[in-house]
Amino acid sequence: GDSVTQMEGPVTLSEEAFLTINCTYTATGYPSLFWYVQYPGEGLQLLLKATKADDKGSNKGFEATYRKETTSFHLEKGSVQVSDSAVYFCALRTQGGKLIFGQGTELSVKP
Amino acid sequence: EAGVVQSPRYKIIEKKQPVAFWCNPISGHNTLYWYLQNLGQGPELLIRYENEEAVDDSQLPKDRFSAERLKGVDSTLKIQPAELGDSAVYLCASSLDRSEAFFGQGTRLTVV
Repeated sequence: GDSVTQMEGPVTLSEEAFLTINCTYTATGYPSLFWYVQYPGEGLQLLLKATKADDKGSNKGFEATYRKETTSFHLEKGSVQVSDSAVYFCALRTQGGKLIFGQGTELSVKP
Repeated sequence: EAGVVQSPRYKIIEKKQPVAFWCNPISGHNTLYWYLQNLGQGPELLIRYENEEAVDDSQLPKDRFSAERLKGVDSTLKIQPAELGDSAVYLCASSLDRSEAFFGQGTRLTVV
């Protein structure tokens, strides 16, 4: 069935370090892909999206490229800040409209 | 524009008692989702509505959970009776057709 797999956390980085959070998916057809972020005590917020192969989503310095050949949508940021500390969720929407989430990856950025 | 509104934010009940959660989606959004989120895990879909029709409720434990979306706008999720294992955050989200989903802040349920 359709699913999303993320790298396990927590990920701990120093400020200004490079971030990669891996996400791979299994889905039939052509899903849309998303990254959501959840700050402590808050709901999920959409960070970025890509709706077709080779699309690059970007927002707030974060980027992810929809790679159909490797069924991946890895999240990257060149220089993280303490304020980026949160839990990041990769998600896909199937062609049938179902929205499926990965298990989340906790990021902790130290000053 | 107001976002997805959920209430209450927190609820503590004794086991075997009923509980209800309410969600008001973003105006004009025809798709509404209820998710359950356990600590340290990703959201798991309970039910998805398109307008007033439940198009995916395969993960809803129908022996104790029920949901409704009258007139295709706001929605209520009910648990009766609640069990200790139902303690979790219940998230509501909405979208316009199959565009990106916007989430409310969730209701944290504690069953004691």
